[in-house]
Amino acid sequence: EDQVTQSPEALRLQEGESSSLNCSYTVSGLRGLFWYRQDPGKGPEFLFTLYSAGEEKEKERLKATLTKKESFLHITAPKPEDSATYLCAVQAANDYKLSFGAGTTVTVRA
Amino acid sequence: DAGVIQSPRHEVTEMGQEVTLRCKPISGHDYLFWYRQTMMRGLELLIYFNNNVPIDDSGMPEDRFSAKMPNASFSTLKIQPSEPRDSAVYFCASSFRLAGAYNEQFFGPGTRLTVL
Repeated sequence: EDQVTQSPEALRLQEGESSSLNCSYTVSGLRGLFWYRQDPGKGPEFLFTLYSAGEEKEKERLKATLTKKESFLHITAPKPEDSATYLCAVQAANDYKLSFGAGTTVTVRA
Repeated sequence: DAGVIQSPRHEVTEMGQEVTLRCKPISGHDYLFWYRQTMMRGLELLIYFNNNVPIDDSGMPEDRFSAKMPNASFSTLKIQPSEPRDSAVYFCASSFRLAGAYNEQFFGPGTRLTVL
């Protein structure tokens, strides 16, 4: 069974204080690893898909990286509007469904 | 495009009542997913469809839950009878597959269900 573990559960940052979120996964053949952002009372919003170890993708202050066992979401110089829950999910090679981690809730204080 | 549309946004019902949640996927998307999100269990896949056909319903908790997709633009998730432990936020998501590539899922705003 696919397993996704995210750490830490919660992260409190000062505006401008860079940090990283971790997503460790176990899957029988990885088709893709997905990062989503979820704001309170809303559905998850797609951020990135990573397909192979060594791949990196960036969007504004966010950068996602992938190894064979984990992915990191780096937040550089965060702003209060980056406050959200960040979800990681994996898709196995023999399936189409996503298995989600529990998420990391990021709070950025001005 | 309006995105994935779900209704109702909030539903409060009493134990034993039937509940029907509705979803309209993004036009042109051929995959539709139903998820449930709770604090304890996070985001769980209940069932997904491809071209209106159920592919994997292994996440449906029990026979009280059923889902249908009568056409490409509409799906329902029904709970009968409802129980307090069914209280959660239910999300619908859709995606498409093009030229062998699997694309990201787009989520709706969710339906917050409270069963008293």
